[in-house]
Amino acid sequence: NAGVTQTPKFRVLKTGQSMTLLCAQDMNHEYMYWYRQDPGMGLRLIHYSVGEGTTAKGEVPDGYNVSRLKKQNFLLGLESAAPSQTSVYFCASSKQNYGYTFGSGTRLTVV
Amino acid sequence: SQQGEEDPQALSIQEGENATMNCSYKTSINNLQWYRQNSGRGLVHLILIRSNEREKHSGRLRVTLDTSKKSSSLLITASRAADTASYFCATAYSGGGADGLTFGKGTHLIIQP
Repeated sequence: NAGVTQTPKFRVLKTGQSMTLLCAQDMNHEYMYWYRQDPGMGLRLIHYSVGEGTTAKGEVPDGYNVSRLKKQNFLLGLESAAPSQTSVYFCASSKQNYGYTFGSGTRLTVV
Repeated sequence: SQQGEEDPQALSIQEGENATMNCSYKTSINNLQWYRQNSGRGLVHLILIRSNEREKHSGRLRVTLDTSKKSSSLLITASRAADTASYFCATAYSGGGADGLTFGKGTHLIIQP
């Protein structure tokens, strides 16, 4: 039982490049989330999904897009990377009124 | 903006002592959760306490919730070196967290051997 798997684990992008982060869960959870973690800022919600084919904006959605075409996958896209998007990105999944299961994170550097 | 705020920001104690961390929040919640994060790793769920509960236990962990004061505390008893980590409280509004948890900035706990 792998839980939540994030790929890639590390990535360096040049300003203006685009990329997609993949999150996969094998727990049949309805809800999935993308957070970013910056030093001294805690975790901030980027986008979330309450079911296959649905997505919604979180606290800091600008510059990101998401898709949930399959229940087990939640993709986070950066359209045109900026240095301000340098961060550690965490995906999580859950079912209602339960704790979240987090992936191990993707460390992204934009130069 | 951050909903929960942990206090203290950092805590260093001797192995075997108890560690207490506090969390305050601003608006009504459905539930409050505590997570642990070891350096360079993902967050691990520790315990969830619902708004109609006052206290919950899990092994060496004890969580209390005071909705009148909008605060929660996490007590780790008989601390071990392996408890060294950052601890975050997270609050859920309506939907039990379906529309996302709001995390505090965390308490960095160091257990001295």
